[in-house]
Amino acid sequence: AQSVSQHNHHVILSEAASLELGCNYSYGGTVNLFWYVQYPGQHLQLLLKYFSGDPLVKGIKGFEAEFIKSKFSFNLRKPSVQWSDTAEYFCAVIPISSGSARQLTFGSGTQLTVLP
Amino acid sequence: DSGVTQTPKHLITATGQRVTLRCSPRSGDLSVYWYQQSLDQGLQFLIQYYNGEERAKGNILERFSAQQFPDLHSELNLSSLELGDSALYFCASSPRRSRITNTEAFFGQGTRLTVV
Repeated sequence: AQSVSQHNHHVILSEAASLELGCNYSYGGTVNLFWYVQYPGQHLQLLLKYFSGDPLVKGIKGFEAEFIKSKFSFNLRKPSVQWSDTAEYFCAVIPISSGSARQLTFGSGTQLTVLP
Repeated sequence: DSGVTQTPKHLITATGQRVTLRCSPRSGDLSVYWYQQSLDQGLQFLIQYYNGEERAKGNILERFSAQQFPDLHSELNLSSLELGDSALYFCASSPRRSRITNTEAFFGQGTRLTVV
């Protein structure tokens, strides 16, 4: 079964600092990759997704992520964080090889706290 | 608004009881996923239905069951509730099983279950 690892459980940054959240997955085949964000008390919202093509994908609110196939990684980045980015961030993967159950598997999440 | 509706938003019940959580997927979406989010376990996939049939099972307890009805809404039944079942239960939907490539799951607001 596939798994997703997010190495940082809690990240604390000051406003305007740069952000990089790590995500690694374990699945040998083709995958779709996602980053979701969960603001306090809210549901999960899609930040960005990678299906194919350019491995650098841009999402909403200035976030981007880079898919590095050789490293099984899909790290999330933002050049300058804002206080409003305080939230929990989840990396997720769907294997898309034939026969797979298309199960969306999440990492354990990274809580980002941005200090004003 | 993701288009996925979950009811109720909050539920408080006693140990040993049974509850039913309801999810209405986005219009036209055939796949429904259920997830449990708790502080100690993170975001756990429970079960997936596609067009009325169970398609994938995750870490779902035997005390829990789900179904998807002809109108595509889904219900998650939790019985013999224990304190540890207190969590946020999310439902998500996506358009098609075999074509889940190039799509993502849309999440509802969740049902917060508190078992006392």
